[in-house]
Amino acid sequence: AQTVTQSQPEMSVQEAETVTLSCTYDTSENNYYLFWYKQPPSRQMILVIRQEAYKQQNATENRFSVNFQKAAKSFSLKISDSQLGDTAMYFCAFISPNDYKLSFGAGTTVTVRA
Amino acid sequence: DTGVSQDPRHKITKRGQNVTFRCDPISEHNRLYWYRQTLGQGPEFLTYFQNEAQLEKSRLLSDRFSAERPKGSFSTLEIQRTEQGDSAMYLCASSLSAGGDEQFFGPGTRLTVL
Repeated sequence: AQTVTQSQPEMSVQEAETVTLSCTYDTSENNYYLFWYKQPPSRQMILVIRQEAYKQQNATENRFSVNFQKAAKSFSLKISDSQLGDTAMYFCAFISPNDYKLSFGAGTTVTVRA
Repeated sequence: DTGVSQDPRHKITKRGQNVTFRCDPISEHNRLYWYRQTLGQGPEFLTYFQNEAQLEKSRLLSDRFSAERPKGSFSTLEIQRTEQGDSAMYLCASSLSAGGDEQFFGPGTRLTVL
């Protein structure tokens, strides 16, 4: 079974600053998908960004970008120009191509300060 | 379509009672998933449906838990003889296909067992 580790339980960042969340995973597979999901307080989880392991180019979605290091099995998320609405719990998740169950990390709570 | 919906959003019950939760996926999605999330943790996979067929059940799903998806549309998750350890957020998700396809999550049902 794949394991996903998020070593930062909480992060705090000043509005307009940049914050980076770390994620490492363990797998013996060569092809897989990685995700960052955002769960705002009392609201449903939404996808922030998705990375396919066979693509070397790091995924970017507006202010969100990832640093995917396949050899190191690392998948960090960078939030640039942080906004108050970015306050949420962020989960890193892993899935194999032929699988259907996401394996999640324990999450990182991000608080953006005004 | 307004996304994945779940009902009820909150349920408080006494130990030993039975509870049933409902999930309505995005209409064109034939894959449906149930996850359980305890406080401060990432979601853990419970079970998976492809259309009306339940293809996998996690070891987390004891024999007190049963899930159905009649006619491949909405799904129900029933917990019989609830225990305090069942207190958690129960999340439903749906997707068009498995593997790297995005899973869309509902708002969850928060269960509190007294």
